[in-house]
Amino acid sequence: QKEVEQDPGPLSVPEGAIVSLNCTYSNSAFQYFMWYRQYSRKGPELLMYTYSSGNKEDGRFTAQVDKSSKYISLFIRDSQPSDSATYLCAMKNNQGGKLIFGQGTELSVKP
Amino acid sequence: NAGVTQTPKFQVLKTGQSMTLQCAQDMNHEYMSWYRQDPGMGLRLIHYSVGAGITDQGEVPNGYNVSRSTTEDFPLRLLSAAPSQTSVYFCASSPLDRVGYEQYFGPGTRLTVT
Repeated sequence: QKEVEQDPGPLSVPEGAIVSLNCTYSNSAFQYFMWYRQYSRKGPELLMYTYSSGNKEDGRFTAQVDKSSKYISLFIRDSQPSDSATYLCAMKNNQGGKLIFGQGTELSVKP
Repeated sequence: NAGVTQTPKFQVLKTGQSMTLQCAQDMNHEYMSWYRQDPGMGLRLIHYSVGAGITDQGEVPNGYNVSRSTTEDFPLRLLSAAPSQTSVYFCASSPLDRVGYEQYFGPGTRLTVT
């Protein structure tokens, strides 16, 4: 079983829809939870990160962490065609620098 | 400020050949790392470094060597290329006290081994 599981999609939604992207994990020691966005043929870029549990909002993006369920989510409101990309979740514990990534979910927002 | 740069962008190797993928950053970051990205596998850590002269293995280190003689550069060497090393390789850097949640990736090197 992988430490971090993410549905690879692809996920296709109409412009303006609310998008929900999710990851589950098995390692209860994870404390940092990140979401990266990766456009086609580009390197990943950090979108948001959350420490421990709770919600974090940045514009149209909201990250949620539920440590009791070992489940994290990224919500995108009023989705735009420019949001079309692969979204990767990543996690790490308090020690060391090893990030564990999910497989990535490919999102397509249709005009 | 160029961020993280990688060369080459594309490379085709024959089985058994060796080569070095270059990575450089101009942000004075202590932490640098190499990942490979394969379909359905996400990003997997190959090697990482917390400063000049210090390197350590990640999840999938076999077949790869690294060294860190300066803060700026972190080359990845393939000793004897195998078809299983066909992948997209990303280098990343981060301040040591913000590893993971302030990480900058390079544009990647697409490697094909025939």
